[in-house]
Amino acid sequence: DVVMTQSPLSLPVTLGQPASISCRSSQSLVHSDGNTWLSWFQQRPGQSPRRLIYKASTRDSGVPDRFSGSGSGTDFTLKISRVEAEDVGVYYCMQGTHWPLTFGGGTKVEIK
Amino acid sequence: DVQLVESGGGLVQPGGSLRLSCAASGFIFSRYAMAWVRQAPGKGLEWVSGISGSGGNTYCVDSVKGRFTISRDNSKNMLYLQMNSLRAEDTATYYCVGDYGDLEALDFWGQGTMVTVS
Repeated sequence: DVVMTQSPLSLPVTLGQPASISCRSSQSLVHSDGNTWLSWFQQRPGQSPRRLIYKASTRDSGVPDRFSGSGSGTDFTLKISRVEAEDVGVYYCMQGTHWPLTFGGGTKVEIK
Repeated sequence: DVQLVESGGGLVQPGGSLRLSCAASGFIFSRYAMAWVRQAPGKGLEWVSGISGSGGNTYCVDSVKGRFTISRDNSKNMLYLQMNSLRAEDTATYYCVGDYGDLEALDFWGQGTMVTVS
């Protein structure tokens, strides 16, 4: 199975400051269809996960533009340009290129 | 609006069975692959099983093979997960998830149903 490694585990951030989460995969996530199936999910406290980004850098409808995804191959990043209070929660990366789908361990974003 | 509503969770003894259901609305159900993803208390996410839009193809993670069966009824817009021979390590919140593609990106999620094996 493809191992997804996220860092850091915990990310204390000051309101209005940027935040960055890293996700690395044990194999390339470039699919034979040419797409890179790397998604980012946000899970706010007490809620179900919500997808923010798919295909490494495509933002979902309704997701604020302060969220951005980048990366290729095995190395990916989720950035929040200016953290707001509503961004508190756990963020997961997930690969959908190889079976079975696998998730990173999660990064907890909290306000300092 | 797209909506997925899970039901059927509860407390069951080890070795027992449960059937989870997911009622879908707000989208053309048969055009979407569906999946179950679980989350043990205080832990991360784990993909459990998936099924194509037609129901003709099913997939599951090794840890549940031979014990869990995913199915769907497109005439009723329903997704199911039959869980047999349950173990303590199956304790988790189970989420129903929809995907317009081939289960590469898990587009939208339900609120989840809790299963406790004890």
